[in-house]
Amino acid sequence: DAKTTQPNSMESNEEEPVHLPCNHSTISGTDYIHWYRQLPSQGPEYVIHGLTSNVNNRMASLAIAEDRKSSTLILHRATLRDAAVYYCILVGNTPLVFGKGTRLSVIA
Amino acid sequence: KAGVTQTPRYLIKTRGQQVTLSCSPISGHRSVSWYQQTPGQGLQFLFEYFSETQRNKGNFPGRFSGRQFSNSRSEMNVSTLELGDSALYLCASSFRQGASDTQYFGPGTRLTVL
Repeated sequence: DAKTTQPNSMESNEEEPVHLPCNHSTISGTDYIHWYRQLPSQGPEYVIHGLTSNVNNRMASLAIAEDRKSSTLILHRATLRDAAVYYCILVGNTPLVFGKGTRLSVIA
Repeated sequence: KAGVTQTPRYLIKTRGQQVTLSCSPISGHRSVSWYQQTPGQGLQFLFEYFSETQRNKGNFPGRFSGRQFSNSRSEMNVSTLELGDSALYLCASSFRQGASDTQYFGPGTRLTVL
C-alpha cells in the first residue's frame, strides 16, 4: 500500500491560514490524493481530492507538488470547528488506508 | 439527500456473543465499505462491497463477515466476540469504486464487548 507521512499535530490561531503538509514519495501515476478529516465523536468527512493540478473547493485548497511526492491542504481561515484529525490518503485500486493523520488544534 | 445511516449507534455485548451491524448508504450509491476504529490501531479497513459482491477484504479474522443486499444496504457480522473487538465501526458509501470517488461516512456504531 502507498504510504503517506504527516506531522502528528499542528496548532493554529483562529482566523489564520493553516497549511497541513503530507509526503507521499511512493505515489504511483494513477493514485489520487484525498484528504478527509474526523471531528471529535464523528465519522470521517471528505475534504478535497486531486490528481495532478491544484484544487479548490468551499472547504479548502489542495496544492500538489509538481513531482506529486508531496501535497499541502490549505484551510484559508481556521475556525474552532476545523479542529479535527486530518488524514492524507492515496487512493488507487485499493481501499482507503488511513494513517495516524495530523491532529489540528485551533486556538481562539 | 439523506446521509449514510448506521444502526444501532451503540451496542453492548459480552464475550462469545455475536453481533450484526447495519448500514444504509446514500441513495444511488452502490459501494459500501466498513472500517474499524480503535485508539490503538486507528482506522482499519474491513471489507468493501459493490453490487452485492465483496471486492476487497482487509486483514481481519474470519469472525468478521459482511454482505450487501440488492438495495445496496449492507450488514456486517462479528461472531464469537472478543474484548478486543470493542471499537467504533464505520460504514462508508460511494457511487462507484473509482479512485476519484468520494466516500461518505456514517456516524458509526460504538460496540463495547464486556
